[in-house]
Amino acid sequence: RKEVEQDPGPFNVPEGATVAFNCTYSNSASQSFFWYRQDCRKEPKLLMSVYSSGNEDGRFTAQLNRASQYISLLIRDSKLSDSATYLCVVNSNNNDMRFGAGTRLTVKP
Amino acid sequence: GAVVSQHPSWVICKSGTSVKIECRSLDFQATTMFWYRQFPKQSLMLMATSNEGSKATYEQGVEKDKFLINHASLTLSTLTVTSAHPEDSSFYICSANRQVGYTFGSGTRLTVV
Repeated sequence: RKEVEQDPGPFNVPEGATVAFNCTYSNSASQSFFWYRQDCRKEPKLLMSVYSSGNEDGRFTAQLNRASQYISLLIRDSKLSDSATYLCVVNSNNNDMRFGAGTRLTVKP
Repeated sequence: GAVVSQHPSWVICKSGTSVKIECRSLDFQATTMFWYRQFPKQSLMLMATSNEGSKATYEQGVEKDKFLINHASLTLSTLTVTSAHPEDSSFYICSANRQVGYTFGSGTRLTVV
């Protein structure tokens, strides 16, 4: 089993749609969780951290369920500029990050 | 904000030659640098963790004699792909941890022909 698993995608949605990505992780000792965004042939960039209480940043909402070892990202009112690959990232207690394979999102006009 | 400068951005080399990739932390001291590799449509895979002044820690399956890592100063870590072969063609990227989160270099696209 992979350490971090994500929806394979791709997701193709119209502008304005709401889309949700899911991610599960296998290491129950994982300490911190993130969503990164990666554009084609570019480095990943931090989108948001994920907190146990759930957190929101504008159109983006992240949630964590430690009991189920599950993380989610919700994007509301999708924009064309949201098209990218979204990476679920889990940080273990020895301070190295493990990446999911990423979910590709394409937002169409 | 924290910046990690990675060079070169892309490189094409002949099979059997060696390629050095540099990552510099520009406005902070990076005692630890992580090196990743990403094949097309796949996840970033951690190759090794380099620590300033000591030997790097390699992930299982990564050949330490092929992927030489040097972290001689608090601002510079290098990855040298020795005797590169076409199967080493990939996107290599470094990352450093700061209190505000992880910062990535811009990546190096290596093509071995």
